[in-house]
Amino acid sequence: KNQVEQSPQSLIILEGKNCTLQCNYTVSPFSNLRWYKQDTGRGPVSLTIMTFSENTKSNGRYTATLDADTKQSSLHITASQLSDSASYICVVSARDSGYALNFGKGTSLLVTP
Amino acid sequence: AAGVIQSPRHLIKEKRETATLKCYPIPRHDTVYWYQQGPGQDPQFLISFYEKMQSDKGSIPDRFSAQQFSDYHSELNMSSLELGDSALYFCASSLTIGGVGAGDTQYFGPGTRLTVL
Repeated sequence: KNQVEQSPQSLIILEGKNCTLQCNYTVSPFSNLRWYKQDTGRGPVSLTIMTFSENTKSNGRYTATLDADTKQSSLHITASQLSDSASYICVVSARDSGYALNFGKGTSLLVTP
Repeated sequence: AAGVIQSPRHLIKEKRETATLKCYPIPRHDTVYWYQQGPGQDPQFLISFYEKMQSDKGSIPDRFSAQQFSDYHSELNMSSLELGDSALYFCASSLTIGGVGAGDTQYFGPGTRLTVL
C-alpha cells in the first residue's frame, strides 16, 4: 500500500531558528515528491518538486532533500520567520498511476516571536 | 479512527449534466478544502470553508459552487459538465486551532473520480 508518513506532527520553534521536517514514503514505483506549504483555510503553495534523479532542491530559505534509496525526504527551513507558520505537506506520486497522489498528513509548524 | 469520507467514489456523467460531490469531514473538524486533480497534474485548489463560511477561493469555475452545511459536511455542485472536468476530486478537512495563517494538519479523503463522457 502506498503511504506517506511525516514527522513531527507538530513543531514550535522560535523566530530565527532552523528546523527540519521529515517525510518517509513507501510509494512505488516512485515518480516525484513535492513539498507544499499551506496556511489554514488557504490553498497549498508548492515549494519544491523532485524527481528520482534529484537529491536536493532549494527555494529561498527552503531546502528539500531526497534519498530515493531509503525513500526519505526532508524539508529544511533556515532562519525561520513568523510567516513560516503553516502546515507543510509531503506529496508523493507513483509512476504508474496517472491520477493518484499520495498525501502525507502534514507537519504543523508554529514560529513564535 | 474516522477519516474523511467522500461520496460517490466514482461518477460517470454526460456533457452538460450536473454532478454533486459530497465530503464528510473528520468529526469535530471545522475546515474543509476541495481540490481538483486532472490526469498527470498537480492538485488544483478549488475552494475552502471554515465554520460554514467560504474562507478562500482558488481556481473554481463559475459553473461550480460549493457550500458547507451546519453538520460541517460539504458539497461541491458542478453544472454544465465539460469533458475537461474529468478528474479526481479530493476533499480534505482540518481542525483550525491557531486561526488563519497558523497551519493545521489536513486529512485527505480518498477522492471522487469523475468521468465526463
